[in-house]
Amino acid sequence: GEDVEQSLFLSVREGDSSVINCTYTDSSSTYLYWYKQEPGAGLQLLTYIFSNMDMKQDQRLTVLLNKKDKHLSLRIADTQTGDSAIYFCAESIERGSYIPTFGRGTSLIVHP
Amino acid sequence: ETGVTQSPTHLIKTRGQQVTLRCSSQSGHNTVSWYQQALGQGPQFIFQYYREEENGRGNFPPRFSGLQFPNYSSELNVNALELDDSALYLCASSPRDSLNEQFFGPGTRLTVL
Repeated sequence: GEDVEQSLFLSVREGDSSVINCTYTDSSSTYLYWYKQEPGAGLQLLTYIFSNMDMKQDQRLTVLLNKKDKHLSLRIADTQTGDSAIYFCAESIERGSYIPTFGRGTSLIVHP
Repeated sequence: ETGVTQSPTHLIKTRGQQVTLRCSSQSGHNTVSWYQQALGQGPQFIFQYYREEENGRGNFPPRFSGLQFPNYSSELNVNALELDDSALYLCASSPRDSLNEQFFGPGTRLTVL
């Protein structure tokens, strides 16, 4: 079955790097995603990685995928207070509709 | 380019009532998915529509139903509301040639009393 696990909270100081971790169970996952949700808002797709890649970088964001351990991480460099939000890890399998299965989300708190 | 919009923003209903939530997809997107997000949880997939037909369904009872219109907008209908239906309902649209890229609306907050 599909299951995505994340730690619930992460607190960092402004300017430091944040690393949010995620594990998933389905080895046939095709895409793995990171979404951001700010209070009272919908989800914003931050980035995604195809399962045959092991790293993807996009400005301050770095995604690392360890397919053997089914472990995905999101690193945010130079974390700012505006990065405070809930971050969701998700996976999808190519079944024609790419429906993502989400984790419970990691609440990132950035303090001065 | 207009993003995904949803209406209403908030809604309060009582148990047993029926509700209709609406979604306008992003321009050029012909696939719409609906999700339920309970407090403190990740979104749970309800169903997806493509070309006005259901194209996948999650583990939700039949009292959750939907429609997609020729302009790709969509409705989510929930009958016989239960207290546990209280949640944020999210709509996401995606282009058919890039289904893995879903763009979410701001959601409708439904409270069932």
